[in-house]
Formats: sequence, structure tokens, C-alpha cells
Amino acid sequence: KQEVTQIPAALSVPEGENLVLNCSFTDSAIYNLQWFRQDPGKGLTSLLLIQSSQREQTSGRLNASLDKSSGRSTLYIAASQPGDSATYLCALRSNDYKLSFGAGTTVTVRA
Amino acid sequence: NAGVTQTPKFQVLKTGQSMTLQCAQDMNHEYMSWYRQDPGMGLRLIHYSVGAGITDQGEVPNGYNVSRSTTEDFPLRLLSAAPSQTSVYFCASSYSSGGNQPQHFGDGTRLSIL
Repeated sequence: KQEVTQIPAALSVPEGENLVLNCSFTDSAIYNLQWFRQDPGKGLTSLLLIQSSQREQTSGRLNASLDKSSGRSTLYIAASQPGDSATYLCALRSNDYKLSFGAGTTVTVRA
Repeated sequence: NAGVTQTPKFQVLKTGQSMTLQCAQDMNHEYMSWYRQDPGMGLRLIHYSVGAGITDQGEVPNGYNVSRSTTEDFPLRLLSAAPSQTSVYFCASSYSSGGNQPQHFGDGTRLSIL
């Protein structure tokens, strides 16, 4: 059974600082890895999807890396803004097409 | 294009009552799924469907039923509500079950069982 861990559970940074969010997983037999953003009381919004054969994906200020051999993914958010405050979840799609989620990291960016 | 629509947004039930959570998508997605989200835990898969007429169990299926008579709709039924089913329920869809298609989520249904 795939176990997905996100540490820390919460993070507070001043505006302008770069954010580094970690996701670790136990089974490297994955199809892809997806990073989501969740705002309070809302659903999940897909940020980046990294295919199993890829090492990273970039979108604007966001960059996500994937290292299957070590069972890790990292989401980098450059020059954080108060609007980046949210909970960030990683999810892995295994080869049986089911998603396994981490519990998330709640980010607060202080103005 | 509304995406994934869930109704109701909030619901309070008494133990033993039954109800149906509605989920509809207008993107012609084949794959639909239901998750529950509890504090401090990741989302857990309840049931999923890879197309009309096809459903299967996820990680935590007990106490829930689903059906998929159309591509657009995937309702989740609570048979006899229990306090342990108090949670936030999310419906998600994607173009196919395989492939590298991102999942699209609804805004959730917040359910309290008294």
C-alpha cells in the first residue's frame, strides 16, 4: 500500500521568501505525481502533474521535481506572495490508476 | 462549462438516515471518483468509475453505494448514516482512468452526522 507523507504539516514564511514543500512516498511504481492547491472550504486545484518518466515540471513561479529512486517530490514556489497561502497536497497515481494523497502542508505567507 | 458540480454543499443528518450526494460533470470525462477528507489525513478513495455502468470499490467503501448510469452523473449514497461518516466529500473526474490527465475536483459536500 502506497504511503504518502508531507512534512511539515504547516509552514509560515514572510512574503518574498521561496517555499519548499516536500512529499515522500514508499512505492516507486507510480504512474504520475500531481500537486494540488486547496483553499479553505474549497475543492482541489491541480497545479502540476509530473509523469513517471519526467524529472520536473514548471509553471510560472512553480517548479516540481520527482526522484522516484529516493521516493521524493519537491514543490518550489518562488518569491512567495500572500495569495499563495493555502494547503498544498501531493497525490500519486499508482499503476492501478488510484490516487494516494498526502495529508498536506498548510502554508501561510505573511505580508 | 461548469466543471464538477456537487450538491448539496452542506448537510446535517441524524444517525440512521440515508441520503444521496450528487456529483455531475460536463466535460465528458470517463473517470469519476469519490473521496472523503478528514482532519489530518489525506483524501481517501471511496468508490470510482471508469465509465458508465462500471464501478469499483476504493480504500474505504463500507457504508456507501454508487452507480453510474450516465457519463455525466456519479451519485454517492449513504445507506444508514453513522457519526464516523462525518467528513468532507469530494467528487473528482478526469478524461480517462489511465494516461496523464489531471483530476478535476468539485468544491465538496460538508456532511455532519449527529
